[in-house]
Amino acid sequence: AQSVTQLGSHVSVSEGALVLLRCNYSSSVPPYLFWYVQYPNQGLQLLLKYTTGATLVKGINGFEAEFKKSETSFHLTKPSAHMSDAAEYFCAVSGGNSWGKLQFGAGTQVVVTP
Amino acid sequence: DAGVTQSPTHLIKTRGQQVTLRCSPKSGHDTVSWYQQALGQGPQFIFQYYEEEERQRGNFPDRFSGHQFPNYSSELNVNALLLGDSALYLCASSQTDREDMGYTFGSGTRLTVV
Repeated sequence: AQSVTQLGSHVSVSEGALVLLRCNYSSSVPPYLFWYVQYPNQGLQLLLKYTTGATLVKGINGFEAEFKKSETSFHLTKPSAHMSDAAEYFCAVSGGNSWGKLQFGAGTQVVVTP
Repeated sequence: DAGVTQSPTHLIKTRGQQVTLRCSPKSGHDTVSWYQQALGQGPQFIFQYYEEEERQRGNFPDRFSGHQFPNYSSELNVNALLLGDSALYLCASSQTDREDMGYTFGSGTRLTVV
């Protein structure tokens, strides 16, 4: 079975600083990888996804992520944090052994300080 | 274009009661999946419906059941509610066999069991 590990349940960053959220997955076959954001009392919004092709993917709100097969990682970054980036972020995997469903990590809560 | 619509937004039920949650998928989507998100955790896959049949199921007891209608909308039913069923229930829609397109989530139904 596939699994997703997000390092750090809480991350605090200063406004304007780099945002780095780590995600590692386990899968016996190449998966599809996703990052979702969840604002308080809301559902999940897709930030970006990797399916095939270019390993560096760009998403909404200035976020990007790089798929590194050798490291089984899909870390999310944003060069300069904004106050509006405060939210919970989930890494998820589908495809392969998890065909037809998303397997989520436990999430990382991002706090942005002025 | 309306996205995924869920109703109700909030619900309070007593232990032992039954509840029905509803979901209308995004236009053009024919597959509906349900997830349970307990407080402080990532969403967990409950089941998926396609062509009015349950296609996949996660590790949830039979108290959790569902239905999909010809217009692709779906219901999630939970019988004999337990306190531990308190969670945010998320509906996600997608196009069958197009996992690469990702899943669109609704804002969820917050269920509180007292």
